[in-house]
Amino acid sequence: AQSVTQPDIHITVSEGASLELRCNYSYGATPYLFWYVQSPGQGLQLLLKYFSGDTLVQGIKGFEAEFKRSQSSFNLRKPSVHWSDAAEYFCAVGRAGNKLTFGGGTRVLVKP
Amino acid sequence: DAGVTQSPTHLIKTRGQQVTLRCSPKSGHDTVSWYQQALGQGPQFIFQYYEEEERQRGNFPDRFSGHQFPNYSSELNVNALLLGDSALYLCASSLDGRWSYEQYFGPGTRLTVT
Repeated sequence: AQSVTQPDIHITVSEGASLELRCNYSYGATPYLFWYVQSPGQGLQLLLKYFSGDTLVQGIKGFEAEFKRSQSSFNLRKPSVHWSDAAEYFCAVGRAGNKLTFGGGTRVLVKP
Repeated sequence: DAGVTQSPTHLIKTRGQQVTLRCSPKSGHDTVSWYQQALGQGPQFIFQYYEEEERQRGNFPDRFSGHQFPNYSSELNVNALLLGDSALYLCASSLDGRWSYEQYFGPGTRLTVT
């Protein structure tokens, strides 16, 4: 069965500091991996996705993620956080046409 | 280009009642998936509709049912509501096919069961 683990429930970072959110997955085949962001009271917005090829993928809003097959990880990073990045972030795994399996999410708080 | 829309935005129901939530997919999309997001948790897959039929189903009881119309819009029905059904219900649309790996999410319907 597929599963996604996001070990950090909450992360607090200072504005301008770097951010890294961890994601570990379990999937029987080569997965498609996604990061979504959810602001309070909103739906999910896709930040970036990985299907194959270059293991470092660039997304919107200055985010990037690195796929490491040996570690079954797909960590999300941002070099310099802005106050508007405060939100909840979800890692998800799936295949074409299939359901998405989400992690429990990481809530990011940004200090001024 | 309109994205995924859902109605209503919020809903309050009493235990034992029935509820219907609605979703209109992004223009050009033909597949609709429904997810339940309980407070403080990640979304969980309920089911997916394509060509007006349920194609996949997650681990949800039969009280949860759905429908897809010829215009690709969809409804989620929940019967005999329980307090535990209180959640944000998200609809996601995609374009079927081998490369349909991107799902676009609507803003959700917040259901409160009292």
